[in-house]
Amino acid sequence: GQNIDQPTEMTATEGAIVQINCTYQTSGFNGLFWYQQHAGEAPTFLSYNVLDGLEEKGRFSSFLSRSKGYSYLLLKELQMKDSASYLCAVRDKGNNRLAFGKGNQVVVIP
Amino acid sequence: NAGVTQTPKFQVLKTGQSMTLQCAQDMNHEYMSWYRQDPGMGLRLIHYSVGAGITDQGEVPNGYNVSRSTTEDFPLRLLSAAPSQTSVYFCASSRQGGGEKLFFGSGTQLSVL
Repeated sequence: GQNIDQPTEMTATEGAIVQINCTYQTSGFNGLFWYQQHAGEAPTFLSYNVLDGLEEKGRFSSFLSRSKGYSYLLLKELQMKDSASYLCAVRDKGNNRLAFGKGNQVVVIP
Repeated sequence: NAGVTQTPKFQVLKTGQSMTLQCAQDMNHEYMSWYRQDPGMGLRLIHYSVGAGITDQGEVPNGYNVSRSTTEDFPLRLLSAAPSQTSVYFCASSRQGGGEKLFFGSGTQLSVL
């Protein structure tokens, strides 16, 4: 099975940097995803990590440490439109299922 | 390109009624899944399918049935609706493989009275 833990909410100022953490436990790891979900909308894909290290994609970066069962999503130069919930999801190697954490709500203020 | 199409967007049921949530994708994805999302609970997997004719249970399957007769369609059936099934439901699909991202439908807001 999988157990995924994320903090629930954080507030940050426009232009700042925010780091969202995710810890997980799984019997068979086959990749970690980050999704963004605006209120009332469906989740949309942000990033994918399967090997240790940092993946950078514009203002967003995602880091993975498989030995620690830990990932973070880094949001730089925050914009008001970044106010959303950020979901961490882990894929199980055995059955290919994708299990989601509860999400971290980021509120960007002027 | 439609992607994942989910209907209806909103539905109100009375306790004990049955209904089917429709999900179709036009991307030839082998993997399809249904999630429910409740406040404070995150997305929880109900059922999933790795190909036509193959379905399996997720984390919270009780009270729901699925079938996968074609690659494109993956309907979710509520057999006898209960207030505990009030939730937002998302259908999602992807190609097979660990690194393949999920594409989500727009969601169904279901209320059971």
